[in-house]
Amino acid sequence: DQQVKQNSPSLSVQEGRISILNCDYTNSMFDYFLWYKKYPAEGPTFLISISSIKDKNEDGRFTVFLNKSAKHLSLHIVPSQPGDSAVYFCAASGLSGSARQLTFGSGTQLTVLP
Amino acid sequence: KAGVTQTPRYLIKTRGQQVTLSCSPISGHRSVSWYQQTPGQGLQFLFEYFSETQRNKGNFPGRFSGRQFSNSRSEMNVSTLELGDSALYLCASSPGGLAGVETQYFGPGTRLLVL
Repeated sequence: DQQVKQNSPSLSVQEGRISILNCDYTNSMFDYFLWYKKYPAEGPTFLISISSIKDKNEDGRFTVFLNKSAKHLSLHIVPSQPGDSAVYFCAASGLSGSARQLTFGSGTQLTVLP
Repeated sequence: KAGVTQTPRYLIKTRGQQVTLSCSPISGHRSVSWYQQTPGQGLQFLFEYFSETQRNKGNFPGRFSGRQFSNSRSEMNVSTLELGDSALYLCASSPGGLAGVETQYFGPGTRLLVL
């Protein structure tokens, strides 16, 4: 049972346009959400996060939106650049007993075309 | 600060063998988590260690085990390897505050191939 879902395995956009990556979750106990970017042969790199008390967080070209009622979050990249081409993972954090655990989606491969 | 390091980077084993992977966290970080990444499955949580104790565990069989040393370095062991264990194994570290929300920082991973 996947608690965090990224339904689009791949996405292609033109350089300079907006990239929108989507993520859905089912567990209402998740209260912190993160996006990671992963290049081949490297570990995931933290990109941006959002707490469940907010609905938007912005960092430069990256903005994450959270819709708690729909259990949906999205990552917007504006403008998209060829260097943004990577696999993007959505992750959700919630308490498991006395410890926190990150649950990841299956990833979306973003390709930014020059 | 040096990042998370993992050794070895690549490993080839045969079915039935066992393997030990190593992870050195960022200096000062006390929590180490391990993940398995397979194509199409994202990152599956294996376990987390904090102060030499396993604090959290995912849904993996007992063949997967780990430990953490007093310097926060961690090892992961897989016994009686199966073909399906072929994957990228990622280690992540964080400061380790009790139940606090923290960002995890990942190492480059160990690519394990089981023949």
